[in-house]
Formats: sequence, C-alpha cells, structure tokens
Amino acid sequence: GAVVSQHPSWVICKSGTSVKIECRSLDFQATTMFWYRQFPKQSLMLMATSNEGSKATYEQGVEKDKFLINHASLTLSTLTVTSAHPEDSSFYICSARAQEKLFFGSGTQLSVL
Amino acid sequence: GESVGLHLPTLSVQEGDNSIINCAYSNSASDYFIWYKQESGKGPQFIIDIRSNMDKRQGQRVTVLLNKTVKHLSLQIAATQPGDSAVYFCAENFFGNEKLTFGTGTRLTIIP
Repeated sequence: GAVVSQHPSWVICKSGTSVKIECRSLDFQATTMFWYRQFPKQSLMLMATSNEGSKATYEQGVEKDKFLINHASLTLSTLTVTSAHPEDSSFYICSARAQEKLFFGSGTQLSVL
Repeated sequence: GESVGLHLPTLSVQEGDNSIINCAYSNSASDYFIWYKQESGKGPQFIIDIRSNMDKRQGQRVTVLLNKTVKHLSLQIAATQPGDSAVYFCAENFFGNEKLTFGTGTRLTIIP
C-alpha cells in the first residue's frame, strides 16, 4: 500500500509555543490530505481537509487560526498548532487517499506543558 | 448528526479462536465501509473494505459482512493471533464525499 509519513512522532512543548507537524506522501501525490485528532480511548475526529494550492476546509468547531494548515506541494501538508495550550495535547494523525483507499500516517503525540 | 458507532468497547478472545467485531451505522446514504486496525501509539492501518453492492468480502483471515437492511457491519478475524490485539474502527462514507466518519472503536485483546 501507499506510504504516508508523519513527523515528528511525538513532541513536548511549553504552553504558548507553536508546533509544526509534517505529513508526506512518499510514493504518490496527494492533492487532498486529511488531519484528524484523537484523544485517549476515543475515535478519530476529522479536523480539516487540506487542499494542495488552496485553503484548507475546517470542520465545524475547529479554529482555523489556531490550527494552521499548509499544503504547498502534492506530497506535503503541514499542521501548525499555534499558541499551544495543555488542552491541545492530543494524538494528531494525517491521511491521504491513494488507490481509492485512505492511508494514515503514524501519528504525532503532542504534549503541551 | 448521523454517525457510525460501536457500543462494545472491549473484547477478549482466546488465541486461535475466531473473533467478531460489530459496528452499526446510521447513514443510509453510506455506500463504502472500511475496517481499520490501530495499535497503541500508531495511525490506523487499513484492513479490509466493502462497497454497498456487496454483502461479504474476504481477505486473509478477515471477513467483512455488510447487512444494509439493519445497517450493520461486522469484522470477523479467524484464528486470532497475539498480533491481532489492537483497537478496531469501522468507518464509512458515501460516493462523492472524501471524508470518513469513524466509529467509536473496539479494543480486541487476544489471550495467549
């Protein structure tokens, strides 16, 4: 199957700082990528749809100014959590569609102190 | 809103036995269903999918059954192994919609 690479796998930051998470499609091009958030023992919740060359589409209740998404190329989308606070601590996962299937990155565990 | 849901969060199965994980969905427009496996600290891994024009699909040791009449989806894992221990999610969408809606998940534990 297609490979989606996500980096970093975990990050610890101080409250008020910004964190950038990268999502790359390694062996295919992805005009659309998806960003999910997952709290412990819960399901994945779609945050936004990242579109190459255009603005991301955010789900209801997701602050676009807090979760900045950039999809500057066909193989890279980034999610920046700005002015992170402890309540932003979560597992963030990206995904991209290939061969009519959705493949996921390995996730990024964000801990905000 | 409509959702895909599971209400059995945990399932323990003896190694070698078969397991069945169930999922109920409520969106009658859904026509594509997927099962994912998620191990601790990792992203979901595609297991098997099925379209609404089918009621059964088999993979290696896994079978997905779809009952559109009662909006029910199940994942059968045959001859379970310790490596099958994980959280399993069902997900659904419909033609023209790229977004997936995930169920609540079931934690499967294989007992050696």
